[in-house]
Amino acid sequence: ELKVEQNPLFLSMQEGKNYTIYCNYSTTSDRLYWYRQDPGKSLESLFVLLSNGAVKQEGRLMASLDTKARLSTLHITAAVHDLSATYFCAVDRNYQLIWGAGTKLIIKP
Amino acid sequence: DAGVTQSPTHLIKTRGQQVTLRCSPKSGHDTVSWYQQALGQGPQFIFQYYEEEERQRGNFPDRFSGHQFPNYSSELNVNALLLGDSALYLCASSRLWVATQETQYFGPGTRLLVL
Repeated sequence: ELKVEQNPLFLSMQEGKNYTIYCNYSTTSDRLYWYRQDPGKSLESLFVLLSNGAVKQEGRLMASLDTKARLSTLHITAAVHDLSATYFCAVDRNYQLIWGAGTKLIIKP
Repeated sequence: DAGVTQSPTHLIKTRGQQVTLRCSPKSGHDTVSWYQQALGQGPQFIFQYYEEEERQRGNFPDRFSGHQFPNYSSELNVNALLLGDSALYLCASSRLWVATQETQYFGPGTRLLVL
């Protein structure tokens, strides 16, 4: 059974700091996704990672994938308040997405 | 492009009742997936429809059923509602996945409360 674990589940940080969210998964997969969810809202796609060593960046967010370690990271650089949200990773298994529990990120001024 | 739309936005039902949720996919998308997201948790895959057939199914009982229409829109039906069915129900659309950088686009969700 494919399991996806994120850590930390909750993160409170100051603006301007850097931090990393980790996503581990238990079996091989072709694709890994990162999504953002604001309170009471739907899911917004951030990154799609398809291959070992893939790295993608958008603004202050950078995601990477190590398929051999079954690990993806989402790195936040110089955090700003607008990045406060819950971040999910999801792994593809036969065309269905298996999700982590999410990391609730709070960025304080 | 209106993106993925869902209706209704909110719904209150009582135990034992039946509910139908609706989803229209993003223009150009032919595949619809449904997810259940309980409060404070990640989404759980219910099932996926392509070419009007259920293509994949998650670990949900038969009380959960669906349908896809020729215009690619979809319905999720839940019979004999339980209190535990209270959740945000998300519809996601995509093009049939091949080895390209495809992602699923999510609708705003339907929040179901079962009393």
